[in-house]
Amino acid sequence: GAGVSQTPSNKVTEKGKYVELRCDPISGHTALYWYRQSLGQGPEFLIYFQGTGAADDSGLPNDRFFAVRPEGSVSTLKIQRTERGDSAVYLCASSFLGGTVDGYTFGSGTRLTVV
Amino acid sequence: SQQGEEDPQALSIQEGENATMNCSYKTSINNLQWYRQNSGRGLVHLILIRSNEREKHSGRLRVTLDTSKKSSSLLITASRAADTASYFCATVRSNDYKLSFGAGTTVTVRA
Repeated sequence: GAGVSQTPSNKVTEKGKYVELRCDPISGHTALYWYRQSLGQGPEFLIYFQGTGAADDSGLPNDRFFAVRPEGSVSTLKIQRTERGDSAVYLCASSFLGGTVDGYTFGSGTRLTVV
Repeated sequence: SQQGEEDPQALSIQEGENATMNCSYKTSINNLQWYRQNSGRGLVHLILIRSNEREKHSGRLRVTLDTSKKSSSLLITASRAADTASYFCATVRSNDYKLSFGAGTTVTVRA
């Protein structure tokens, strides 16, 4: 597609439930990134994929968070046993050549609200 | 952890005026990028400056980089109401690919 697509755009879930957030990157972009942004803060790095493998998952806050990218394109961020503190906007980005030429392209994000 | 810090946190200017915001960072970088965000959703890439560059222009935007002071500035000239947004600097460290963002500067342009 023309841009990075994230679905759903909004998700409200009950505490303790499982959620999946989807990211469809720009075709041809091998690098994919997940970030989380809380109100009034800058985006915080979660995980980075190069192709199908997670090249850096050092930003995942704990083992309730997991992400996959099985075919090197679409990625899914999975959160188990959600907590109210997980409420944030989850942003996905993709890039060509690691973003060193023309930066990253971000999706519009998924606003997750845990009630 | 956030690598960059923007200053000021908020800026209010009249349409037509220039807006300047600064960014400081902590470690050696490969490049520094500036992004704009409207309404707390997707970020839009504005400009990328490499560690061996000192100044870059793109339309009404001018970015400077001083690696000795570990700081950068973004200047928006002749501001417009549509420039109202949050602006973030983000760094890519040497031998790394991920962006590390600051907390951003919120710019309000009054008509």
